[in-house]
Amino acid sequence: DTAVSQTPKYLVTQMGNDKSIKCEQNLGHDTMYWYKQDSKKFLKIMFSYNNKELIINETVPNRFSPKSPDKAHLNLHINSLELGDSAVYFCATSSIETEAFFGQGTRLTVV
Amino acid sequence: AQTVTQSQPEMSVQEAETVTLSCTYDTSESDYYLFWYKQPPSRQMILVIRQEAYKQQNATENRFSVNFQKAAKSFSLKISDSQLGDAAMYFCAYRSANNDMRFGAGTRLTVKP
Repeated sequence: DTAVSQTPKYLVTQMGNDKSIKCEQNLGHDTMYWYKQDSKKFLKIMFSYNNKELIINETVPNRFSPKSPDKAHLNLHINSLELGDSAVYFCATSSIETEAFFGQGTRLTVV
Repeated sequence: AQTVTQSQPEMSVQEAETVTLSCTYDTSESDYYLFWYKQPPSRQMILVIRQEAYKQQNATENRFSVNFQKAAKSFSLKISDSQLGDAAMYFCAYRSANNDMRFGAGTRLTVKP
């Protein structure tokens, strides 16, 4: 039973399309994150939600919109995909007393 | 926002030897957590070790230990008796009391047989 589950694992799409990546956790953690890992392996925080409330929005283009329907889910919707959006996107969760637990990542390729 | 700096993009170690990976951070907070994560080619993010800032004692997990210098804002990772399976990207991470979590740029560790 996977603690943090991301779908899909791989996503190949054309420029201009809209796509979503889903994240679900069964750990009961209050905080969920989205990170972007570029080709140089740099992990950059995009968003952070605490109890369904957005607490960090880190200079991400408006084309990226997170949605948290409940505490166990944090989805990432991307509009009008661009070549530069190609990266690995990680969902993660944590609580005050724990480390962050990561999903397996979604490799997004925009062609 | 807090920043985390890993000054060694790449490091190499001979199998069975010891290697130390450096990490410094910038913060004005007194209460925070520090972590080292390992990312093998499978891209899975694996926790190596964690340190609470209020604890003076350095954390240890088997062959992995840290040197936490709070005043210097330094958090280095020592890997003893290096094994081929230790080869990976290693990320230092800082998490503030409000759960804002930032990563360093990573250090690629190569283990030579």
